[in-house]
Amino acid sequence: SYDLTQPLSVSVALGQTARITCGGNNIGSKNVHWYQQNPGQAPVLVIYRDTNRPSGIPERFSGSNSGNTATLTISRAQAGDEADYYCQVWDSNTHKFGGGTKLTVL
Amino acid sequence: QVQLQESGPGLVKPSQTLSLTCTVSGDSITSGSYYWSWIRQPAGKGLEWIGRIYTSGSIRYNPSLKSRVTLSVDTSKNQISLELSSVTAADTAVYYCARDGGGYGDYYFDYWGQGTLVTVSS
Repeated sequence: SYDLTQPLSVSVALGQTARITCGGNNIGSKNVHWYQQNPGQAPVLVIYRDTNRPSGIPERFSGSNSGNTATLTISRAQAGDEADYYCQVWDSNTHKFGGGTKLTVL
Repeated sequence: QVQLQESGPGLVKPSQTLSLTCTVSGDSITSGSYYWSWIRQPAGKGLEWIGRIYTSGSIRYNPSLKSRVTLSVDTSKNQISLELSSVTAADTAVYYCARDGGGYGDYYFDYWGQGTLVTVSS
């Protein structure tokens, strides 16, 4: 099975740039999608197909994917960005999620 | 605006069958462009995909749950349904339905329901 590895937690100072990684074997050959989940709420798609932002998602959210690591980058981090973030891929006719990363904005 | 709403019992006894329904509004599940998935999340844990269904009858399951899961659609009500048999406490989770699309061999979830908590307990 295809495993996705995320750090359990990432911290960022207010206004700085946060980077959340998602590791997988040759993940650069796949399309990676990212979700933000606030406490008690459903996940929200923030990046699809590595780099694309759905309507309504701020430009501060961006993505990249190469080699064995995909990265979600949040620029000018705000208090409201504090949440759990999950990466996801479609592999072997199944959806796979990373374990999730808790982003703390200091 | 696409909206999904899960419904069903919040408490299920061990060994029984969990049954949930997802009602879709703002989009027809027969539109032909999307699959419809179920995902669950135990308290304090990550997301686990359960399975998905297309109105043609095409179904894919998470291999780890396949033996216990049944998905179905009711096109007249624009609903999808989930049944999970022989439940245990490990099946206690928030259950989400989501629109599953993208195409070209690549899929992601662009709309989610608010989720419904199901507790397995006697």
